[in-house]
Amino acid sequence: DIQMTQSPSSLSASVGDRVTITCRASQGIRNDLAWYQQKPGKAPKRLIYGASTLQDGVPSRFSGSGSGTEFTLTISSLQSEDFATYYCLRDGSFWTFGQGTKLEVE
Amino acid sequence: EVQLVESGGGLVKPGGSLRLSCAGSGFIFSDAWMTWVRQAPGKELEWVGHFKSKIDGGTTEYATPMKDRFTISRDDSENMVYLQINSLKMEDTAVYYCVTSSMGVWGQGTVVTVSS
Repeated sequence: DIQMTQSPSSLSASVGDRVTITCRASQGIRNDLAWYQQKPGKAPKRLIYGASTLQDGVPSRFSGSGSGTEFTLTISSLQSEDFATYYCLRDGSFWTFGQGTKLEVE
Repeated sequence: EVQLVESGGGLVKPGGSLRLSCAGSGFIFSDAWMTWVRQAPGKELEWVGHFKSKIDGGTTEYATPMKDRFTISRDDSENMVYLQINSLKMEDTAVYYCVTSSMGVWGQGTVVTVSS
């Protein structure tokens, strides 16, 4: 089974900061990678799919890059509503989630 | 608007069974791969499995730990997908979400609690 290793597991940052979260696949997954944001008590919300395509309605400060085994989610200028937990997801025929990154206020 | 609404969760004793339901609307249900994901309290998201659309083979795939006790079915005439869980264990306690795989839309989740 393909494993997804997400880092860091937690991150402290301030409004206006540039933040990067990384996800590594144990083997190549082309661009079968999505990023999700989850707030407490809520269902996850897809931000990025196909490694770099922004979901409709998601602010352009979110961006995704990568292909193969290494992927990144970048938030260019952190806003207060962005403090949440982020997950990468290898999708396609078999799904595997990363362990999550909790983004907290510094 | 694409919408998914799960139901059927509740408190169940270990060893019991439960069938969760998910109603879809706002999209062509028969064309969609339908996925179930769960999240235990305070834990990460965990893929359960999915049911492919008929045009893509109409087959199911499951995460390895789910293969024995979990069964996904669907009724395209009713825009419904189901998750049957047998021989429930305490570690099955979680919020169970229904997801449209390609659109990335999730339901609000239904809570399953396994406890004696």
